[in-house]
Amino acid sequence: DAMVIQNPRYQVTQFGKPVTLSCSQTLNHNVMYWYQQKSSQAPKLLFHYYDKDFNNEADTPDNFQSRRPNTSFCFLDIRSPGLGDAAMYLCATSRDRGRPHEQYFGPGTRLTVT
Amino acid sequence: AQSVTQLGSHVSVSEGALVLLRCNYSSSVPPYLFWYVQYPNQGLQLLLKYTSAATLVKGINGFEAEFKKSETSFHLTKPSAHMSDAAEYFCAVSDQAGTALIFGKGTTLSVSS
Repeated sequence: DAMVIQNPRYQVTQFGKPVTLSCSQTLNHNVMYWYQQKSSQAPKLLFHYYDKDFNNEADTPDNFQSRRPNTSFCFLDIRSPGLGDAAMYLCATSRDRGRPHEQYFGPGTRLTVT
Repeated sequence: AQSVTQLGSHVSVSEGALVLLRCNYSSSVPPYLFWYVQYPNQGLQLLLKYTSAATLVKGINGFEAEFKKSETSFHLTKPSAHMSDAAEYFCAVSDQAGTALIFGKGTTLSVSS
């Protein structure tokens, strides 16, 4: 089945220690998104890639970076995690940009910062 | 700007009862609306979407939603709740550019036997 895969499902990192979260997709979609979802809150878009074009949301902290080396993979790098970065990180894809393309979500990576 | 308001952060129903989860939207352009479900420690699964075709949209697992422009609403319903429906439900609207999904704060549905 075509799908969005996130690894690992659970990640523990230390305060200030860089961490990378991984997302891959077998849908061959052009767009890949990263959302942050804090406990009991709605998902919030951090950034997205349209093909190789990176698009950052205005309020995404500089501490968050992303890479998309090819169509299938996208990475979220947190350079210096703080306690406030503990959250579920959701990767999503859509076939194209523009309305009304729906987004397909992966299972998420739950990040704990100690 | 687009926004979504979900009325009621927590809804409790008995098994077999009607499920009604409320969503109101604000949009400066004709909206595209979505309902997603999230089970504990999992990602979001699309239940249904409205994309300006039929106003009554049928989704998976027996859910449906009706788009009412006059009320700026897109409420989610299911005639008979099942225990497996217990989850978090998010209503979302596509932003004007069609890039981001703007989510409501979510409604937790509890189903009791």
